Amino acid sequence: DGGITQSPKYLFRKEGQNVTLSCEQNLNHDAMYWYRQDPGQGLRLIYYSQIVNDFQKGDIAEGYSVSREKKESFPLTVTSAQKNPTAFYLCASSIFASPTRETQYFGPGTRLLVL
Amino acid sequence: AQTVTQSQPEMSVQEAETVTLSCTYDTSESDYYLFWYKQPPSRQMILVIRQEAYKQQNATENRFSVNFQKAAKSFSLKISDSQLGDAAMYFCAYRSAGGAQKLVFGQGTRLTINP
Repeated sequence: DGGITQSPKYLFRKEGQNVTLSCEQNLNHDAMYWYRQDPGQGLRLIYYSQIVNDFQKGDIAEGYSVSREKKESFPLTVTSAQKNPTAFYLCASSIFASPTRETQYFGPGTRLLVL
Repeated sequence: AQTVTQSQPEMSVQEAETVTLSCTYDTSESDYYLFWYKQPPSRQMILVIRQEAYKQQNATENRFSVNFQKAAKSFSLKISDSQLGDAAMYFCAYRSAGGAQKLVFGQGTRLTINP
């Protein structure tokens, strides 16, 4: 089945620890995105990548880092510099060569909790 | 910067009835895209409908339709023949036609379907 997978579903972070959230897609999509959702809020963009080995900061990039070594994968690291990481994290992707290239499709999300 | 406002935190409707969710946005751009996403209890974001700003015709997808008023910067979602499975959070989102790839989301409207 084609789609976007995120793992793990739940992740617990200890104080001062870096954690990495996985996002994989087998849709041959070009662009990938990371969003953060806080309770009762809409989504806010953390980082996005339009091409392998290139990525741009979104609105709330501080305390996060990403890499895009493969087209299919866009992992997000939540560093110890992110002081309030508890949130729901959603990965999305979109395809350029499509009449609906502006549309982003989302994975199932990862819930990050701080111990 | 663009902003999206959903003024109804919660709405409810009787099963089989029609409900309209409101969304307004603020932008100085003339070319952009608008979306409605549904987030059920599973929390995965599901695309409901999209609208291109350059199209005057309102988009429709089965029981879902929009009322796009470009001059008023309004983009409401109408759900006809409401079903129990329509219960979810609904988010309105904006995307520029050029420049930054991000989606700008509203705060969401929680829709309850009463049997």
